[in-house]
Amino acid sequence: KQEVTQIPAALSVPEGENLVLNCSFTDSAIYNLQWFRQDPGKGLTSLLLIQSSQREQTSGRLNASLDKSSGRSTLYIAASQPGDSATYLCAVDMDSNYQLIWGAGTKLIIKP
Amino acid sequence: GAGVSQSPSNKVTEKGKDVELRCDPISGHTALYWYRQSLGQGLEFLIYFQGNSAPDKSGLPSDRFSAERTGGSVSTLTIQRTQQEDSAVYLCASSLGTYDEQYFGPGTRLTVT
Repeated sequence: KQEVTQIPAALSVPEGENLVLNCSFTDSAIYNLQWFRQDPGKGLTSLLLIQSSQREQTSGRLNASLDKSSGRSTLYIAASQPGDSATYLCAVDMDSNYQLIWGAGTKLIIKP
Repeated sequence: GAGVSQSPSNKVTEKGKDVELRCDPISGHTALYWYRQSLGQGLEFLIYFQGNSAPDKSGLPSDRFSAERTGGSVSTLTIQRTQQEDSAVYLCASSLGTYDEQYFGPGTRLTVT
């Protein structure tokens, strides 16, 4: 059974720092992996989707990497801003099943 | 363009009542998903629709839950005889096709008193 883990559960850093959020999964037979952000009381916003054949994806200050064989993905945020404060979730789509399997999220606070 | 919309945004209901939650997917998206996010827990898959195929209902927690998708577009999630443990945020997502990027609506916060 696929399990997705995100570490740390919470992170607080000063504005301007670069940071890394981690996501690990137990079954490497994934189709793709997505990173989302969730703002309090709001829905989910898709940030990046990495296909299983890809190693990384970039969007602006965000860079997501995928090491399928070791069951890891990282989300790198450069030059963090207070507006980046949110909960970040990763989710995997399995080869055999289109149901997204979710991590519990990392709550990120960027201090001005 | 318009994203995924859900209504109502908030719903408070008494235990034992039935509720209907609505989802309008992005136009042209053939796949539609319902998820539930309970306080202190992660998201859980409920049901999946793809085109005119029979839906995958494997995530529905009990037979009090049902969903339909009319004309391959709007979907309604119905919870009968609501219980307090049904209190959660219900999220709808759509994607162009299976395994494509999923786009989420703002969710419906359901509170059962």
